[in-house]
This record gives sequence, structure tokens and C-alpha cells, in this order.
Amino acid sequence: GDSVTQMEGPVTLSEEAFLTINCTYTATGYPSLFWYVQYPGEGLQLLLKATKADDKGSNKGFEATYRKETTSFHLEKGSVQVSDSAVYFCALSNFGNEKLTFGTGTRLTIIP
Amino acid sequence: GAGVSQSPSNKVTEKGKDVELRCDPISGHTALYWYRQSLGQGLEFLIYFQGNSAPDKSGLPSDRFSAERTGGSVSTLTIQRTQQEDSAVYLCASSSARQGAYGYTFGSGTRLTVV
Repeated sequence: GDSVTQMEGPVTLSEEAFLTINCTYTATGYPSLFWYVQYPGEGLQLLLKATKADDKGSNKGFEATYRKETTSFHLEKGSVQVSDSAVYFCALSNFGNEKLTFGTGTRLTIIP
Repeated sequence: GAGVSQSPSNKVTEKGKDVELRCDPISGHTALYWYRQSLGQGLEFLIYFQGNSAPDKSGLPSDRFSAERTGGSVSTLTIQRTQQEDSAVYLCASSSARQGAYGYTFGSGTRLTVV
């Protein structure tokens, strides 16, 4: 079945550092890929998505490129801020399937 | 309402008791989902309702778990004879039929602790 493997956390970075959170997937067909973010005390929010190979999703300075050849959707940000501290989840949805399959989440802490 | 509302936000219950968790989806959203977020386990799909279709119950972990959705709106997730391994955050999400998986809006969840 479909699965998502995420970089294990927690990840701690200094403010303005470069961020990469790795995500790889296993799926039949052509899934859509998502990154969700969960800020402390809040519900999950969609951060960005990509629906086909080579698409780049971007939002709030974060980017992720759908790489079919490496089955990856790594999340990147050039300069993180303290306010980016949260748990990040990679997820996929496969064609005709309404369900999202999530990774285990990566807790990110940014220190000033 | 403006968002997905879940209640209670926190629930502590004794092992063996039954609990009911409630989800109020966004008005007009025909799709409703329940997920479970356990420590170190990520988000686990439980059940999915779409309009008047039969729900997809394939993610329910045991027959102690059940869910219903009345009038195509509010949903209740019931856990009977709770066990300590049921402790988790239970998340509800809704989406419009048109957006499907692209349009999930999550609630803030119910944190269930079984003691």
C-alpha cells in the first residue's frame, strides 16, 4: 500500500539557518503530495502541495518539488524563523482516493 | 461554522469506560474524516464519510470503535471499553466534494487520555 517516510526528528536549528526535511513516498499511480504544519496548540494546516511530477509547491518561504524519479518531496526553507517552530507532516493522496496517508511528522524547533 | 469544531478538547477517562467524541464540520462540506495522532505514530486514518454513501471504515482499529454522521453534518466517534492504547489525539477534518483531499480543513482535535 501507499506509505510516506519522513526524516526523523526532532530537528533544532538556529534562526536564519537553511532547513531541509526529507520525505520519500511509496505509491502506485500518480499521487498528489502535501506538506502540513501543526503549530503548538493548533490544528493541522495545509502548507503546500504539488499534484504532478516536477511541480513545485511553495508558501511562506517554504518550497518542495515533486520528484518522481526519486519518489521524494523534500521540504526546504532558505532562512528559518523562530515562528517556524512546529511539527511538519508529509502526506500523499492517490488518484481516486480521498484519504491522506501521512508520515510520522518532524518536530522543528528554531532557537534565536 | 467558520471552521471544524471538535469537542471536548480534552477527555480523561478510566479504562473500560465508553467515550464519545464530536465533530462539527464546515457547513456544506460533504466529506468528513477521522484520524488518530498517536505519539511517534503519525496520523492514522480511521473512517471517512462522503455524502450519503456508505462510510469507509477500513481504518478503524477494532470493533470497539464506531462512528456515525447524522444528517450529513455532525459526526460522533465512539470508543467502547477504552484501553490505554487508545490514548491519542483524535482529529476530524472536512472537505468539499469538489476539493477532496486537496481541501481538508482540520479541527484542533480531542486529546483522549485513558487512565
